[in-house]
Formats: sequence, C-alpha cells, structure tokens
Amino acid sequence: DAGVIQSPRHEVTEMGQEVTLRCKPISGHDYLFWYRQTMMRGLELLIYFNNNVPIDDSGMPEDRFSAKMPNASFSTLKIQPSEPRDSAVYFCATGGGTIYGYTFGSGTRLTVV
Amino acid sequence: DQQVKQNSPSLSVQEGRISILNCDYTNSMFDYFLWYKKYPAEGPTFLISISSIKDKNEDGRFTVFLNKSAKHLSLHIVPSQPGDSAVYFCAARNAGNMLTFGGGTRLMVKP
Repeated sequence: DAGVIQSPRHEVTEMGQEVTLRCKPISGHDYLFWYRQTMMRGLELLIYFNNNVPIDDSGMPEDRFSAKMPNASFSTLKIQPSEPRDSAVYFCATGGGTIYGYTFGSGTRLTVV
Repeated sequence: DQQVKQNSPSLSVQEGRISILNCDYTNSMFDYFLWYKKYPAEGPTFLISISSIKDKNEDGRFTVFLNKSAKHLSLHIVPSQPGDSAVYFCAARNAGNMLTFGGGTRLMVKP
C-alpha cells in the first residue's frame, strides 16, 4: 500500500483564486480527516468523513472551505476564494480504528499571495 | 477550548542527554494517548502510545509516562540523537476513536 497520497505537494496561488487539494486514502480505512497545520494553532481538525459521509465539519473555518468524498478512494478540500491567511500545510489522514491512530499523507503546502 | 495542550513550543537538548516532552489534557474520558513525530515536508507518523489503564510504556529509547490524576503525559527520549530532531505532537483518543492533537513541540538535538 502506498499510504495516503496527497496532491499537489505545493501550491502557490493568488488571493481570490479557487484552490483544490486532493487526497487518496488508504484502502479499507473507514475514516478520512482533513487537518490544517499552522504555527499558531498546531494541528487543527477541519472535517472528517466516515464511510464517505461527512460527520463533523465544525472545524471548517468559513464557508469558503468545502470538502467532498465522492467515493472511498478520493477526497477533495476546496477553498474558494482563497485568502493569504489560508496559507498553511494541509494534511489528509485516514484511520481504521487501530491503536496506531491515523496515517497521514505528506501534506500540501499552500501559499496564498 | 484546547483539550490537549503542549505548553512548550520548542526544546533544545544536547546529543546523548534526555529529552522530556510534556502534554496536558482536560478530558478525563480520553482512553488512549499517542505521540506522533513529524519531520519537515512529511506528515506526522506514529511513534508510541499508552492506554489510560497504564502509567508507563517503553519502546527502545522512547518511554511515555501517564499521570491520570494530574492529566499529564510525557515522552522521554534517552539518549537523544540528532535524528530525533522533529516536531512532536501528543494526541488523545476518545471513545469514538477520534484523536485530538496538541499544538506540537519542536525538539532540536544538538550534536
């Protein structure tokens, strides 16, 4: 298994543009999480899915953020329109209920200028 | 309300000495605690965990201690090595298998 795969690894965009981050989870893991890492707040949970269904999106900062999981092998996190304060590293993680918790992707570093 | 806190954003230690990373939590319903290690440009990876029914778990140079009465856990690394330099996140699991993460501590081990 290749693990959790995120794309792109780096994204630089101008303020106001739409940004789409992608995640391919580990097959068989029932949970998928989107996190954001910043210096100020550490790892923040944005939203998570169970069996492709969004369960809790209370961490999504604003309506500009949306996430989808159309099937068990793909999820997207979209920011529209993007703002400089959205600059951060965004992680996708999957979990299958083991004691090892979650498996993280390598992250997408987003820079909004 | 931060349920899991790592109050030290950074820690610097000399190679060969002990590194102690601390974590405090507020929710007594957490049943499992985990430490993750994160290198630059990589995602966090699992390091070591401890059940709430234990007070110590050891794995090689890494030991996690849990003090339930104080709602405090710590990660000890002995001896510290330059390759241990990374950001360490503690996490706490609730009954629904959801993890809550602390803000992270950046450990720098100097040769």
